[in-house]
Amino acid sequence: GIQVEQSPPDLILQEGANSTLRCNFSDSVNNLQWFHQNPWGQLINLFYIPSGTKQNGRLSATTVATERYSLLYISSSQTTDSGVYFCAVRAGFQKLVFGTGTRLLVSP
Amino acid sequence: DAGITQSPRHKVTETGTPVTLRCHQTENHRYMYWYRQDPGHGLRLIHYSYGVKDTDKGEVSDGYSVSRSKTEDFLLTLESATSSQTSVYFCAISPGQFYSNQPQHFGDGTRLSIL
Repeated sequence: GIQVEQSPPDLILQEGANSTLRCNFSDSVNNLQWFHQNPWGQLINLFYIPSGTKQNGRLSATTVATERYSLLYISSSQTTDSGVYFCAVRAGFQKLVFGTGTRLLVSP
Repeated sequence: DAGITQSPRHKVTETGTPVTLRCHQTENHRYMYWYRQDPGHGLRLIHYSYGVKDTDKGEVSDGYSVSRSKTEDFLLTLESATSSQTSVYFCAISPGQFYSNQPQHFGDGTRLSIL
């Protein structure tokens, strides 16, 4: 089945710093989602981005489907950005495959 | 956010007992999913449903069964719980047209501990 790899596995930032999270996938996908799992365990939809670039406030994402990767950019990070960021790709009939996540800690 | 309610939110039970988790949606979405989340594995699909009484297995379906008698409810049952089923369980929904450009939205999770 399709493989999803995220890097880096862990990231520590000071408040105000910028960061880039990467998601590589092993096969053609129809769709890709980025999630933030906050410290309370909730999974928050960030982007639905099968291709192209989207921006939402301090966050933006770019997917280059032909090269099988997606990037999540976080600018001017805040402590509330802490948590785990997951990339998930859709392969086949409505089945979402998750990466193992990037754990982000933003310190004040 | 999508109207998804999972119940219970927390449960502690003993090995060998039956457990049923409920997912209720108010979005009238066709597709519903059950995932489990474990350290080092991300989220893995257990079962999913593509309509009332229509279900299929995911990648980690052994030891689990599901039922969907109404559009809004999707039940996950552990017939005889084992300690390896201790996990956080998430329900998700999507409108679900074939290859449609619609994301999945997740509930807040159920933390299940089996002693």
